[in-house]
Amino acid sequence: DGGITQSPKYLFRKEGQNVTLSCEQNLNHDAMYWYRQDPGQGLRLIYYSQIVNDFQKGDIAEGYSVSREKKESFPLTVTSAQKNPTAFYLCASSEGWSTEAFFGQGTRLTVV
Amino acid sequence: EDQVTQSPEALRLQEGESSSLNCSYTVSGLRGLFWYRQDPGKGPEFLFTLYSAGEEKEKERLKATLTKKESFLHITAPKPEDSATYLCAVRATAGGTSYGKLTFGQGTILTVHP
Repeated sequence: DGGITQSPKYLFRKEGQNVTLSCEQNLNHDAMYWYRQDPGQGLRLIYYSQIVNDFQKGDIAEGYSVSREKKESFPLTVTSAQKNPTAFYLCASSEGWSTEAFFGQGTRLTVV
Repeated sequence: EDQVTQSPEALRLQEGESSSLNCSYTVSGLRGLFWYRQDPGKGPEFLFTLYSAGEEKEKERLKATLTKKESFLHITAPKPEDSATYLCAVRATAGGTSYGKLTFGQGTILTVHP
């Protein structure tokens, strides 16, 4: 089945540690996105990528980093510089720049 | 800067009581407006895409409409299983600084009581 797979579903991190969230898609989509969602809030854009080996900062990129070495993969690293990393992280992809985006099931990150 | 505002923040309906959700937007040239449904702890599920003023899309009890400044999601005779958070998002046209971004509103939490 085609879709977007995020892993893990739940992730616990100690303060001061970096952690990487996985996002893989088999839809052959060019564009991929990372969003953060906090309780009772909408989605805020962290990073997005239009094509392999290229990505742009979103509205809240500080403390995060990404790579886009393969079309199907767009991993997100939450660094120790991110002051409040506990949140629900969502990855999405779209075929083009006027089409709808499809989302994975999310990763819930908790800092302990 | 692109902005999307959804209202109301929360809406409680009785089963069968029709109503509408609003999505107002400010964008430097609309390339598309999108509606999603999100259940607790899940990723958003795509519902509709609207591209130009006057366009309408329907799916079961849901109907989305678009004007130059806002979109409405009309829910006819809702059922308890329609309870979810409904999200609206916009894309801007090429050439602007926000080209490629998908900007979301805060969402409307819909609860339908039996």
